[in-house]
Amino acid sequence: NAGVTQTPKFQVLKTGQSMTLQCAQDMNHNSMYWYRQDPGMGLRLIYYSASEGTTDKGEVPNGYNVSRLNKREFSLRLESAAPSQTSVYFCASSGTGSRVTEAFFGQGTRLTVV
Amino acid sequence: AQSVTQPDIHITVSEGASLELRCNYSYGATPYLFWYVQSPGQGLQLLLKYFSGDTLVQGIKGFEAEFKRSQSSFNLRKPSVHWSDAAEYFCAVGGATNKLIFGTGTLLAVQP
Repeated sequence: NAGVTQTPKFQVLKTGQSMTLQCAQDMNHNSMYWYRQDPGMGLRLIYYSASEGTTDKGEVPNGYNVSRLNKREFSLRLESAAPSQTSVYFCASSGTGSRVTEAFFGQGTRLTVV
Repeated sequence: AQSVTQPDIHITVSEGASLELRCNYSYGATPYLFWYVQSPGQGLQLLLKYFSGDTLVQGIKGFEAEFKRSQSSFNLRKPSVHWSDAAEYFCAVGGATNKLIFGTGTLLAVQP
């Protein structure tokens, strides 16, 4: 049982390049999340998907897009990377059926934009 | 608006001393509350959670937290801190909308 799997684990981009961070969960969770973590700022919600087929903006959505491809997968896309997007990105999932659960996290993606 | 405030950025305690980490939340309905811990370079581990019922909840590693609706608080406590508890601690609030918001974290240092 892998839980939440994020790829890649590390990435270096040049300013203006694009990339997609992939996330998959095998816990049959309804909700999925993308966060970024920066020193002193905690985890800030970028986008979330409360259920398959829906996505909503979080606290810091600018510069990002997401796709809930199916119930298992939730990807985060940076169309034109900027140095301000250098961060550690975490994917998470939660909720089974009608039952609320805690969020389970992936191991993170460390992204550097130069 | 849904938000979490952790007023203490950094706390230092002596090993064996008691610990209380503060968390205040803002949420318009019944909140779901969580405490997570993150060791350096690691992912997030759930310490404990509150959904409903008994307002004093027990977690792993000897931690507990008390939900106080009147104070919009969910403070984390431990009676005797161990050196291995040094880490960053995050409080989070969620609810029926499934939007999950975290606080800025409290970095705990433990002195021998």
